[in-house]
Amino acid sequence: AQKVTQAQTEISVVEKEDVTLDCVYETRDTTYYLFWYKQPPSGELVFLIRRNSFDEQNEISGRYSWNFQKSTSSFNFTITASQVVDSAVYFCALRNTGGFKTIFGAGTRLFVKA
Amino acid sequence: GAVVSQHPSRVICKSGTSVKIECRSLDFQATTMFWYRQFPKQSLMLMATSNEGSKATYEQGVEKDKFLINHASLTLSTLTVTSAHPEDSSFYICSPETSGGGPDTQYFGPGTRLTVL
Repeated sequence: AQKVTQAQTEISVVEKEDVTLDCVYETRDTTYYLFWYKQPPSGELVFLIRRNSFDEQNEISGRYSWNFQKSTSSFNFTITASQVVDSAVYFCALRNTGGFKTIFGAGTRLFVKA
Repeated sequence: GAVVSQHPSRVICKSGTSVKIECRSLDFQATTMFWYRQFPKQSLMLMATSNEGSKATYEQGVEKDKFLINHASLTLSTLTVTSAHPEDSSFYICSPETSGGGPDTQYFGPGTRLTVL
């Protein structure tokens, strides 16, 4: 069975603080993909990143960075110097390559205060 | 990126009526369509998967006679909520995927917010 756990329901930070959103996943597959999506108040999902299970390199994109650790089945997301516009719900998701269902975590609601 | 539209974006209806939601892939052909439902402050839950020209496959607990899915063409899929009740009020998101599958080819619509009075 596949499962994605985002233990942090809500996080509140002050602007310019760094914040890390945790994601832990479960899968029996050796090949799979992990994603992060942002869902602003408008509701439309915004794709942030995709990582396949063979690529454990960390990635940085501007103020965003991702830490993929297969040994702990985690794919954490860090926002550096957070901004008010980062306020949204962030979803971590898992998809195996055998089937084609994308499973979403419960989401973490991030509030960034000015 | 690929363009996906959903219509309507918001709909309010009376209990007992049916509502049809359209999902269009504007610049690519969607051989597979996923429909998700998201209740307030909850995650996206997959409702059903359909391939163009075939019957949809529904997830456990989703009533196929209540949520009718039509995927008659490669650019259009519809979800009809029949005899809607207040508990069907939710955010419905379509997710078309191009042929070949894979993580690079799944996109998401902007969603339709359904409120049943």
